[in-house]
Parts: sequence; C-alpha cells; structure tokens
Amino acid sequence: DAGVIQSPRHEVTEMGQEVTLRCKPISGHDYLFWYRQTMMRGLELLIYFNNNVPIDDSGMPEDRFSAKMPNASFSTLKIQPSEPRDSAVYFCASSLGSQGQFFGPGTRLTVL
Amino acid sequence: QKEVEQNSGPLSVPEGAIASLNCTYSDRGSQSFFWYRQYSGKSPELIMSIYSNGDKEDGRFTAQLNKASQYVSLLIRDSQPSDSATYLCAVSGGYNFNKFYFGSGTKLNVKP
Repeated sequence: DAGVIQSPRHEVTEMGQEVTLRCKPISGHDYLFWYRQTMMRGLELLIYFNNNVPIDDSGMPEDRFSAKMPNASFSTLKIQPSEPRDSAVYFCASSLGSQGQFFGPGTRLTVL
Repeated sequence: QKEVEQNSGPLSVPEGAIASLNCTYSDRGSQSFFWYRQYSGKSPELIMSIYSNGDKEDGRFTAQLNKASQYVSLLIRDSQPSDSATYLCAVSGGYNFNKFYFGSGTKLNVKP
C-alpha cells in the first residue's frame, strides 16, 4: 500500500512568494495532520482535519498560513506571502481514528 | 511546562547493549502513547504504540507505560548501529484523543 504522499519534496522560493504544499493521505484514513519541524521548535502541529473538516487550527502561526482539504484524498497547505522564518520541513500525516499517525516524506521549504 | 518531556541526549550505548529511552507527560487524561523513530533527514516512523499500563513487546523493542507516574519508556535490546536515530515520544491529548503532543526527541548513538 502507498504511504502518505507529499509534493514537492523540496521547495526554494523568495520572500513574498506564494507556496503551496500538497498531501495525499493513506486511503481509508479519516484524519489528516500538517506539522512543521525545525531544530529550534521541534515538531509542531499546525492543523488537522477529520473527514475533510478542519478541527483544530490553533497551531497555524498566522493568517499567512491556510489549509484546505477538498476531498478525502487531497489536502493543501498554503503560505502567502512566504517569509524566511517559514523555512522548515513540513510533514503531512494521516491516521485512522486515534491510532498512530503515519507521516509522509516531508517538504523541505527554504525561503530566501 | 511542556506537555511531553524527553531528555535530548545524546544517549550513547555500545552495540549489543540495552538502550533505555524515557518520556514524561503532563496530561493525566492521556490515553494513547507512541514511539517514533526519525533518522536524520527522514520523516518520523511509528515503531510502537501502547494504551494500557505495563509492558508491550515487539521484537527487540519494549514499550512500558506507567499512568500513575505519567511516564512512558522504550527499551531497545541488542542495540545495533542501525538503531542510531532520534526517538520521539508522542502522547494523545486527554480531551482530544486525536491530537498528539510530541516530545523534542532523544538522540541515540549506538557505537559498534
């Protein structure tokens, strides 16, 4: 079975540009999570969805960040405008109920 | 106080020894506990889950849970150099079981 799929794997952009990260969860999973990982702050939960509905977005840093899940097999995390401090690895994860979460390979974002 | 605390390490053990990794958590209502392994530059990989007090064994790995003392541990028997990684402890929220809180991770080095 395919795991969580993320694209792109690497993204380099300039400050002020819009960045869109994409995620395809494991088929059949009903929860989808977006995390950000940095050396300084570790793994931070940004937002999560249940059955395509956003449940908790308290971790979204500011209004520049937005996330959508238009259907059970696709989600996006958008940053507009991007800033250098947004540079991090962004992970998408999915789970079935409250069982363990399975992570995608991540997107390494660099904002110059 | 952080929800989940881990010693950042590094923890160094010789090949063949037992590695003991510990984690404490603050929410007494937490019900689900997980250990993830993360190799440098890779995504977190779920290796163990535990839901009730006591020990749970899976191959060379044993997870231990003590809810009264609010700690979780992971024992790795016959440690191998390939076990060298950062180990993340994840704990579910006491109110929101699907929201995980991750520790900052313990870096394990297994010396040949």
